[in-house]
Amino acid sequence: EVQLVDSGGGLVQPGGSLRLSCAASGFTFSFHVMSWVRQAPGKGLEWVSTITDSGTYYADSVRGRFTISRDNSKNTLYLQMNSLRAEDTAIYYCARGGGCFSGSCFYPDKWGPGTLVTVSS
Amino acid sequence: DIQMTQSPSTLSASIGDRVTITCRASQSISSWLAWFQQKPGRAPKLLIYKTSTLESGVPSRFSGSGSGTEFTLAISSLQPDDFATYYCQQYSTFPWTFGQGTKVEIK
Repeated sequence: EVQLVDSGGGLVQPGGSLRLSCAASGFTFSFHVMSWVRQAPGKGLEWVSTITDSGTYYADSVRGRFTISRDNSKNTLYLQMNSLRAEDTAIYYCARGGGCFSGSCFYPDKWGPGTLVTVSS
Repeated sequence: DIQMTQSPSTLSASIGDRVTITCRASQSISSWLAWFQQKPGRAPKLLIYKTSTLESGVPSRFSGSGSGTEFTLAISSLQPDDFATYYCQQYSTFPWTFGQGTKVEIK
């Protein structure tokens, strides 16, 4: 069974840093593009970042502050978040999928349960 | 960025009703559209991808249609488990963008 388990969220002050993790199991992690999507309290879904074999992609709102990475030997996806702002407060979900290759595009088919990041003084 | 506009924002319906939700893209996304269902406190759940392909395990009362810029999610006979918020998403290009959501409520 495919499983994604997000962790690392918490309360952080504005300007602070946090690293989120997403532990994957039940599939060949290294074969898949992975993404992060967030949801502010009571709001809709917002794509944050995707990592592919050929590179990384970021939403304008986080570019230069957030870094997505992965460790295929540990089946784990990461999101390093620096210079955090109040507007980064959200539940962060890792998701499997993303990108377009050889004429086909890939959607986020499996999601973790999410981890809550609260940026507040 | 491609803007995704969903309508209605809220929908009140009864058990057994047929309901439809519309999603409009600001430019063509071919068929690269997905629909998700989200319940309070839970992660989104994939229902449909590539406009009309039902994800494994999703009941056949859900269906999707459209192409280009106009898309529809239909539920043929609303069941108690279907009361939730639904989102469309384009994945044809980055940044991925989502509709603002449609909350399906009990009438």
